[in-house]
Amino acid sequence: DGGITQSPKYLFRKEGQNVTLSCEQNLNHDAMYWYRQDPGQGLRLIYYSQIVNDFQKGDIAEGYSVSREKKESFPLTVTSAQKNPTAFYLCASSSENQPQHFGDGTRLSIL
Amino acid sequence: AQSVTQPDIHITVSEGASLELRCNYSYGATPYLFWYVQSPGQGLQLLLKYFSGDTLVQGIKGFEAEFKRSQSSFNLRKPSVHWSDAAEYFCAVGVLYNNNDMRFGAGTRLTVKP
Repeated sequence: DGGITQSPKYLFRKEGQNVTLSCEQNLNHDAMYWYRQDPGQGLRLIYYSQIVNDFQKGDIAEGYSVSREKKESFPLTVTSAQKNPTAFYLCASSSENQPQHFGDGTRLSIL
Repeated sequence: AQSVTQPDIHITVSEGASLELRCNYSYGATPYLFWYVQSPGQGLQLLLKYFSGDTLVQGIKGFEAEFKRSQSSFNLRKPSVHWSDAAEYFCAVGVLYNNNDMRFGAGTRLTVKP
């Protein structure tokens, strides 16, 4: 079955550490997205990519970085510059003018 | 820029009762509207979408939503709620040809009483 796989499901970060969240899709979608979800705030866009080797900042990109070397993969790195990284992170993908499909998320916590 | 308001943070209904979740949007042109559902610790699943045509759209799991341009609303309804419908529901508005610019509401948490 086609879908989006996010790993790991739970992740813990120490102070000053970078961590990378994985997102892989086999839906053959061109566009991929990373959202951050905090209680009571809905989803906020961190980064998006419409095509391989190209990506754009969303509303809250500070402290995050991404890469898009393959169509199927869009990893998100939460850097030590992100001072409040505890959140639920959702990856999504879409084809042109179609709704976004979401993965099951990664919950990041601070040790 | 478009925005979405879900006025109800939390709603409780009895199993078998009808349900309506409110969604108001702000956007100058014709919006692309969605409802998603999220179970705890899971991703978002698309319930239904509206782009054009019939203003009453049917979705999965027995849900429907009605687009009312005059009221800038896209309320989600279900005639009879099941215990398995307990979840968080998100309304979202998008822009045609610019899927990067979707805006989500803050969500409405639905509790179903036995």
